[in-house]
Amino acid sequence: QQQVKQSPQSLIVQKGGISIINCAYENTAFDYFPWYQQFPGKGPALLIAIRPDVSEKKEGRFTISFNKSAKQFSLHIMDSQPGDSATYFCAAKETSGSRLTFGEGTQLTVNP
Amino acid sequence: EPEVTQTPSHQVTQMGQEVILRCVPISNHLYFYWYRQILGQKVEFLVSFYNNEISEKSEIFDDQFSVERPDGSNFTLKIRSTKLEDSAMYFCASSFVTDTQYFGPGTRLTVL
Repeated sequence: QQQVKQSPQSLIVQKGGISIINCAYENTAFDYFPWYQQFPGKGPALLIAIRPDVSEKKEGRFTISFNKSAKQFSLHIMDSQPGDSATYFCAAKETSGSRLTFGEGTQLTVNP
Repeated sequence: EPEVTQTPSHQVTQMGQEVILRCVPISNHLYFYWYRQILGQKVEFLVSFYNNEISEKSEIFDDQFSVERPDGSNFTLKIRSTKLEDSAMYFCASSFVTDTQYFGPGTRLTVL
């Protein structure tokens, strides 16, 4: 019940395309859902985050869509660029807790 | 922009030896964390630390692990008797509240 399921494992898109990564969870106590971007050899960097009281949050080319009833959330990267090539992790945290539970990660490759 | 720093960047040790991984969290942050990432796998929570005590720990964080904030700036993770399976990237993170966690660049621990 603590798991966060992420898909796809890998994704290849063309420059200018839309990248979509999906996550699902079971634990209804989760109330904070961040996305992290990780480049090889680096630590995860916070990209964007959402709470269940909104269905969508947009920051620049990055948008989180949240479906509370389905217990799913997704990251959309518009106008994907080669510099976006990285591993993306979704995560979730309970209201009362401090631990982030991460998904398995998606390796995104954006071809020029 | 303030950032979490970690030393060393790479630590090689023999099985059974003790290692100490060091972190300097962002200066006004109150919560401190250790996570680990085995090569190619997802990021896993180890422990969180607040007000000079452990606030939450995972099942991975057994008696061989300990954390300490020896002074006002450093946060350390000690592994008392390293095992081969402890080989991983160890990330320190910090936050002002428990949600927005900022990760350091990591220490790669190799146990031979």
